[in-house]
Amino acid sequence: ETGVTQTPRHLVMGMTNKKSLKCEQHLGHNAMYWYKQSAKKPLELMFVYNFKEQTENNSVPSRFSPECPNSSHLFLHLHTLQPEDSALYLCASSQEGGWNGYTFGSGTRLTVV
Amino acid sequence: DAKTTQPPSMDCAEGRAANLPCNHSTISGNEYVYWYRQIHSQGPQYIIHGLKNNETNEMASLIITEDRKSSTLILPHATLRDTAVYYCIVRALYNFNKFYFGSGTKLNVKP
Repeated sequence: ETGVTQTPRHLVMGMTNKKSLKCEQHLGHNAMYWYKQSAKKPLELMFVYNFKEQTENNSVPSRFSPECPNSSHLFLHLHTLQPEDSALYLCASSQEGGWNGYTFGSGTRLTVV
Repeated sequence: DAKTTQPPSMDCAEGRAANLPCNHSTISGNEYVYWYRQIHSQGPQYIIHGLKNNETNEMASLIITEDRKSSTLILPHATLRDTAVYYCIVRALYNFNKFYFGSGTKLNVKP
């Protein structure tokens, strides 16, 4: 257990479904991140939150909607996804700036059918 | 951020030192070198970082050349559990809250 908990670990959803991924950290960090890792591709930074405020949206399609209600929790709401959105979705947290590195969760393996 | 070049894969015998190279010839003075690793299907794990001095922690050592154009991550006694993809990332101070991952080096530790 790394200190960053992601649920669920695995998710299969249809293209018309709505689902949410959850990330939780109790490390006292104030920045949280969503990354996407598709098969055989590098990690892609999706969203950055600092002190609950979104500071980065890396041209992510609107069918992915992040929510950060407080510094300890981060959600990724999913709606009308495509099969190419199937990937490992990773959450991370850090102190502001991330200068001492990020702590990643174990990820949610998402399959869109 | 400066671009990094890493070999796609390396082998290492269990118990021996694993030396993972990274080339970052365009690095600028305010850019740090970070290393992460990712064991299969898990989230990446932060290992170490440095600016220009060599660094050591309980996981590894980081050797940065004097001209800072390359670095080496050293795992002193590799175990089978060190089999993973190792990422070398160069990050500028102004890239607040952002790490960009490349393809990394797949280290295979063999018995």
